[in-house]
Amino acid sequence: NAGVTQTPKFRILKIGQSMTLQCTQDMNHNYMYWYRQDPGMGLKLIYYSVGAGITDKGEVPNGYNVSRSTTEDFPLRLELAAPSQTSVYFCASRNGQSREAFFGQGTRLTVV
Amino acid sequence: AQSVTQLDSQVPVFEEAPVELRCNYSSSVSVYLFWYVQYPNQGLQLLLKYLSGSTLVESINGFEAEFNKSQTSFHLRKPSVHISDTAEYFCAVSLEAAGNKLTFGGGTRVLVKP
Repeated sequence: NAGVTQTPKFRILKIGQSMTLQCTQDMNHNYMYWYRQDPGMGLKLIYYSVGAGITDKGEVPNGYNVSRSTTEDFPLRLELAAPSQTSVYFCASRNGQSREAFFGQGTRLTVV
Repeated sequence: AQSVTQLDSQVPVFEEAPVELRCNYSSSVSVYLFWYVQYPNQGLQLLLKYLSGSTLVESINGFEAEFNKSQTSFHLRKPSVHISDTAEYFCAVSLEAAGNKLTFGGGTRVLVKP
C-alpha cells in the first residue's frame, strides 16, 4: 500500500546545480501537486497537474519545472538551484471524487 | 483567489484541556474544507473534511470542526487533548471552479503539556 512515494528524502545541493525530485503514486489519481513548506508559511503550491500531459503553475513556480507524461509520475525539476529554494518539498495526489489529498513523506532540500 | 487564514501560529495547551484552532477562508462560492495534521518529520494526513451535508464533521480521534458559511469559518476543536495530539495542523480549502487547487493556511502548532 505505497500511496505517494517521494525520492530522495534528503539532498544537499550547491548553488547552480540542478536536480529532479521524484514523485510517484499508485492510486490512479488524476490530480497531482507539488508544494514547498517553509517554517511559519504553511504550504505554497508550486505546480499542479489535472491529468497526464496537463500541468499548470501554482503560487510560486519560478525556478521550477514539471512534467506529467504518465498518470503515476510527476517529477519536479530545479534547473539552477538557489539558497531561496532551501525548503521541504511535498508531493500530493488527489481523488476527484473524495477530494482527499494524499501526501508523500517529503524531500528536505538544502542549497548551499 | 482563494485564501485561508489560521489566526494562531502556536497554541500551547495542557493535557486533558480543550483546544480550538481557528480557520477562516475567503470565498463567495461553494467550497470544500479540510483539516490536515502533520506530526514531526512526516507528511500531512487528512484529519477531517467538509464536502456537503451536515455542517459538523468529526474525526475518529475526537476532533470536530464546524462549517459556518456566514462567518466563512471552519474551526477545529477537541474537548480533551492528549500528549499525542502535539503536531502542526493545517486548514485547507478547495473551490470547484479553481482547477481543483488545494490552498493551505499557515498552520497552527499545537504543543500539549503534561
